[in-house]
Amino acid sequence: EPEVTQTPSHQVTQMGQEVILRCVPISNHLYFYWYRQILGQKVEFLVSFYNNEISEKSEIFDDQFSVERPDGSNFTLKIRSTKLEDSAMYFCASSNPIGAIQYFGAGTRLSVL
Amino acid sequence: AQTVTQSQPEMSVQEAETVTLSCTYDTSESNYYLFWYKQPPSRQMILVIRQEAYKQQNATENRFSVNFQKAAKSFSLKISDSQLGDTAMYFCAFMIWDGSGNTGKLIFGQGTTLQVKP
Repeated sequence: EPEVTQTPSHQVTQMGQEVILRCVPISNHLYFYWYRQILGQKVEFLVSFYNNEISEKSEIFDDQFSVERPDGSNFTLKIRSTKLEDSAMYFCASSNPIGAIQYFGAGTRLSVL
Repeated sequence: AQTVTQSQPEMSVQEAETVTLSCTYDTSESNYYLFWYKQPPSRQMILVIRQEAYKQQNATENRFSVNFQKAAKSFSLKISDSQLGDTAMYFCAFMIWDGSGNTGKLIFGQGTTLQVKP
């Protein structure tokens, strides 16, 4: 069964450093998403991406965040200068078409020290 | 703005029994989807069931079924014949679908932790 793959599974970084979280969506999917879950809290939407551009972003997704689809398979989330409060589980999801089921990756646990 | 509320932070059930998890939502939209996702200790998000708001018939997926009350904006999940592997956090989620300008954003509730006891 096709699945969304996220790497790394756990990323530890120092405050102020840049991190890139990587995702490989399901191959025939066209809609891509990033969500965040701070430990013990609900899952929060960050950004949706379609046709090589952001279609919607939340208030959390400020200038420190960016997304990119650098090639036909990867979808990345970059945090330019990490803060302690960026520590969370980050989930990538994909779907096709929009409105269909979103399949989630296993997540990347980001720890900012 | 749309909101999703799960009023039961924790629940427990004996193995083989039935349990119902509650979810209410608030929206002025008429077309949308509702979902239940399961998050086991591994923290993977797994889809349990999906309901289209325009369908009156409640969705069913094996031991999982929903009670969708559109007028009351209620979307509860019933798990029959509970199994130990059902132990997880369950999230109710909402997605607008009005045919234009949709972005596919999922809005999640706070989650209900379900413990199935042997």
